[in-house]
Amino acid sequence: KAGVTQTPRYLIKTRGQQVTLSCSPISGHRSVSWYQQTPGQGLQFLFEYFSETQRNKGNFPGRFSGRQFSNSRSEMNVSTLELGDSALYLCASSLGGNNQPQHFGDGTRLSIL
Amino acid sequence: GQQVMQIPQYQHVQEGEDFTTYCNSSTTLSNIQWYKQRPGGHPVFLIQLVKSGEVKKQKRLTFQFGEAKKNSSLHITATQTTDVGTYFCAGPHGSNRLAFGKGNQVVVIP
Repeated sequence: KAGVTQTPRYLIKTRGQQVTLSCSPISGHRSVSWYQQTPGQGLQFLFEYFSETQRNKGNFPGRFSGRQFSNSRSEMNVSTLELGDSALYLCASSLGGNNQPQHFGDGTRLSIL
Repeated sequence: GQQVMQIPQYQHVQEGEDFTTYCNSSTTLSNIQWYKQRPGGHPVFLIQLVKSGEVKKQKRLTFQFGEAKKNSSLHITATQTTDVGTYFCAGPHGSNRLAFGKGNQVVVIP
């Protein structure tokens, strides 16, 4: 079974630009969660989608948004990029629920210049 | 909101020695999960504990869930260089979300 696939692996952007990251979950997984990882801050939860509906949202500004398609693939968009948005963005898929293991992709490393 | 706290945040461990990392919550957890992230990699699920006082072993790794289901520990014996990485615990935060601790970064000294 193929794992979680995130594209692109690396991105370099400048302040003010916007970016879209993509995540393809494991086949059969309907829940996709997004996390931001920066040194020393662990995994900061962004949002979770299940069957095209956002069920949970973390404490991030509205510049961070996402969506999920009918095939469970998910995208995350960040607008008006700031230097502080530089991070590893991880996507994880699961069967759904807080008692299911999360399966992570390799992440997208976003650097803002 | 509910959080899980991990201590210590960093550990330097001599190869061959044992070490333990801890995870604490202020509220009772229905389950706790442990993940390992190798340097440059992504978090990988290790195990889930559900029952009060549960102990599970994976080779040199022993995971324990506290009797009150508010804390958990991971104990590694005879540390190897392959044990290097960051160990995260995660507990439920609401019905459909996990809250991750900040992790315990482990450096192994040969």
